[in-house]
Amino acid sequence: DAGVIQSPRHEVTEMGQEVTLRCKPISGHNSLFWYRQTMMRGLELLIYFNNNVPIDDSGMPEDRFSAKMPNASFSTLKIQPSEPRDSAVYFCASSSARADTQYFGPGTRLTVL
Amino acid sequence: EDQVTQSPEALRLQEGESSSLNCSYTVSGLRGLFWYRQDPGKGPEFLFTLYSAGEEKEKERLKATLTKKESFLHITAPKPEDSATYLCAVQAAEYTGNQFYFGTGTSLTVIP
Repeated sequence: DAGVIQSPRHEVTEMGQEVTLRCKPISGHNSLFWYRQTMMRGLELLIYFNNNVPIDDSGMPEDRFSAKMPNASFSTLKIQPSEPRDSAVYFCASSSARADTQYFGPGTRLTVL
Repeated sequence: EDQVTQSPEALRLQEGESSSLNCSYTVSGLRGLFWYRQDPGKGPEFLFTLYSAGEEKEKERLKATLTKKESFLHITAPKPEDSATYLCAVQAAEYTGNQFYFGTGTSLTVIP
């Protein structure tokens, strides 16, 4: 059974460019979470979807960040325009309605030059 | 004020030297406390869920316990392959839905 899938695994871009990160949750899971991890701040929740609907986006740092979940098997996190301070590892996680446990993907390491 | 605090930040142990990692929390209405292991370059891997004070869970050399204010992850006779960052997270009634709040982790190094 495949786990959470994220792409790309690594992304290097220049300041001002648009970046799109992708996530496929575990089949049957109805909650999806986007996190950002840095050395300074640890793991921070950016946004949380339930049944494809954004429930809480209070962790999204600013308007440059946006997230969508067009269907139960796909979500994107977009940064436009990107800035060097956005450099971090971005994780996607999913959980089912029955279990509270969140299962994480391998992450996308983003470097903005 | 941080709602989840982990200590120590880093821990070095000799192989076979048992120790404990601490996760203290200040949230009210705890719905669950979760332990994860994270290896470099990988996503957090689920270890345990604890729901109520007094509960204990075990897996190989790891044992997690929970009180009303903190959780401990006890590591018995660790091996080098136990080296990783251990994260705890809480899920509370004051949060929306299934949100977690993570601590900053304890980096464990086990020396052969």
